Amino acid sequence: QPVLTQPPSASASLGASVTLTCTLNSGYSNYQVDWYQQRPGKGPRFVMRVGTGGIVGSKGDGIPDRFSVLGSGLNRYLTITNIQEEDESDFHCGADHGSGGNFISVVFGGGTKLTVL
Amino acid sequence: QVTLRESGPALVRPTQTLTLTCAFSGFSLTTRGMCVSWIRQPPGKALEWLARIDWDDDKFYSTSLKTRLNISKDTSKNQVVLTMTNMDPVDTATYYCARILAVSTLKNAFDIWGQGTMVTVS
Repeated sequence: QPVLTQPPSASASLGASVTLTCTLNSGYSNYQVDWYQQRPGKGPRFVMRVGTGGIVGSKGDGIPDRFSVLGSGLNRYLTITNIQEEDESDFHCGADHGSGGNFISVVFGGGTKLTVL
Repeated sequence: QVTLRESGPALVRPTQTLTLTCAFSGFSLTTRGMCVSWIRQPPGKALEWLARIDWDDDKFYSTSLKTRLNISKDTSKNQVVLTMTNMDPVDTATYYCARILAVSTLKNAFDIWGQGTMVTVS
């Protein structure tokens, strides 16, 4: 099954940009990944899905235009521009795993804690 | 508006069985493509998917926890129940339920989450 790897932390100054990375393990370069944002003390919320062609479908409710995604090789990126204080969150990536088109399970990365300086 | 709310005991003793309820509104688990999953997050750690139940009563479980989990639904009450047997301190976590749309462009994404309920095993 797929394994998702995320750096544990990232930081960016107010108004700057940051790119978060979720890396798939070898053999899973065609997988799409979902990004979730989790503000302190809150449940996660869906941000958007990314494949090698970029965003898949639409963003989650209330996700601003400052959030965008790209996919390349085994990497799935989430970029946040003009960072605001409210963006300080844990960001998780997740992917569902199946066989023959049938669902089997979901895996998550370890999460990246974004600190706004 | 779609909402989900988890409820259950805050404290469970080791070896006991945990029963959690996810009460939802704004959709029906009798509608084709609707599913609900349970996910947990130990303090300071990663999310871990536990189980899923579909509109047609298909059920899926984490391979590592399969023998301890049971998921069920009560469509008349708009509730999904998860039981986990033989609880251990390592099961201490916040438990979330989330909706899944299995027949959409965002197939199998968790599009709406509950606030979570913290369970301590001690």
